[in-house]
Amino acid sequence: ELKVEQNPLFLSMQEGKNYTIYCNYSTTSDRLYWYRQDPGKSLESLFVLLSNGAVKQEGRLMASLDTKARLSTLHITAAVHDLSATYFCAVDGTSGSRLTFGEGTQLTVNP
Amino acid sequence: GAVVSQHPSRVICKSGTSVKIECRSLDFQATTMFWYRQFPKQSLMLMATSNEGSKATYEQGVEKDKFLINHASLTLSTLTVTSAHPEDSSFYICSARDGTSGGQFFGPGTRLTVL
Repeated sequence: ELKVEQNPLFLSMQEGKNYTIYCNYSTTSDRLYWYRQDPGKSLESLFVLLSNGAVKQEGRLMASLDTKARLSTLHITAAVHDLSATYFCAVDGTSGSRLTFGEGTQLTVNP
Repeated sequence: GAVVSQHPSRVICKSGTSVKIECRSLDFQATTMFWYRQFPKQSLMLMATSNEGSKATYEQGVEKDKFLINHASLTLSTLTVTSAHPEDSSFYICSARDGTSGGQFFGPGTRLTVL
């Protein structure tokens, strides 16, 4: 059974600081996704990582994938209040179809 | 980018009634759609996987006779919650896999409240 674990689950940080969210998964996977969810809203796709060593950046967020370590990171640079949300990683199983989600990381960026 | 819509966005119904939720992929064909439910402060729980033209595959513990799924076309899947009870109150989210890119895109969600 594929398991996905995120760390930390809760993160409170000040504006302007940097931090990394970690996503570990237990078995081989084809794809890893990062999503953002605002309160009362659905999921917004941030990144899709397809191969070992993949790195993608959008604004203050950068995601990377190490398939050998079964680890993905979401790095936040110079955080701003607008980044406050819950961030989920999700992994495609070897069936290539269903996603298994991490528990989510609730990020709060304080002024 | 790929857009997935859900309708309705919010529904309040009486216990014992049935509620239908629609999920549409607006600008791509989705051979596979997924239905999730999410309770407050929790992650998404997959309920079922829906393939166009075939029966849905339900996750363990999800009653297929209570949560009826129909995937009649490459752009539409419906979830019907039959004989809804207050414990069915939740946030229901669909997603659709783009057969071309392989990406999975989420609808805006439907908040169901059963009184």
